[in-house]
Amino acid sequence: DVKVTQSSRYLVKRTGEKVFLECVQDMDHENMFWYRQDPGLGLRLIYFSYDVKMKEKGDIPEGYSVSREKKERFSLILESASTNQTSMYLCASSFTWRSPEAFFGQGTRLTVV
Amino acid sequence: DQQVKQNSPSLSVQEGRISILNCDYTNSMFDYFLWYKKYPAEGPTFLISISSIKDKNEDGRFTVFLNKSAKHLSLHIVPSQPGDSAVYFCAARTGTASKLTFGTGTRLQVTL
Repeated sequence: DVKVTQSSRYLVKRTGEKVFLECVQDMDHENMFWYRQDPGLGLRLIYFSYDVKMKEKGDIPEGYSVSREKKERFSLILESASTNQTSMYLCASSFTWRSPEAFFGQGTRLTVV
Repeated sequence: DQQVKQNSPSLSVQEGRISILNCDYTNSMFDYFLWYKKYPAEGPTFLISISSIKDKNEDGRFTVFLNKSAKHLSLHIVPSQPGDSAVYFCAARTGTASKLTFGTGTRLQVTL
């Protein structure tokens, strides 16, 4: 079974803190993604990576950065957390050429107070 | 600019009947379309996909239809079961790193 594991299910952080969300996949997928889900807005892509040390901005990258030092691990960094970054964060991974589907982690519910 | 749209935020269907969820898209470069199911406080689960060169794909109770001329796809669930109650997301893939673009979701409630 494909496994995408996010380091925390629930997080509460203070405004201005630097926040790290970690994601690990065990399927040797080339691609990894960070999305956020908000009511009425669906899943919006923050950043993605198609190879180690490669990254590209998604649709809403402002206030975020990412790191991919190893193929199996993709980290999302909130440089200075703000209340409008309170959301459900979802990590996903996929192959480039084999099957089209991406596999998701269980999600991290982040609350910034 | 929303490239994938799900115009119905919610749908209620009786158990045993057909559920039809709809999705529209604008980008002709999408090469695959996918449906995901999501329960609260969990990650989305992949259901079924269809290549842009096909018009139908079936997997058990789930069938996806693609109408390229109308830029429209639909997911049919027959028969609907109470366990199908969830939020369903339509997604479309473009070539760059197999990036998925999602719609806003449709909440399906299957009633007894």
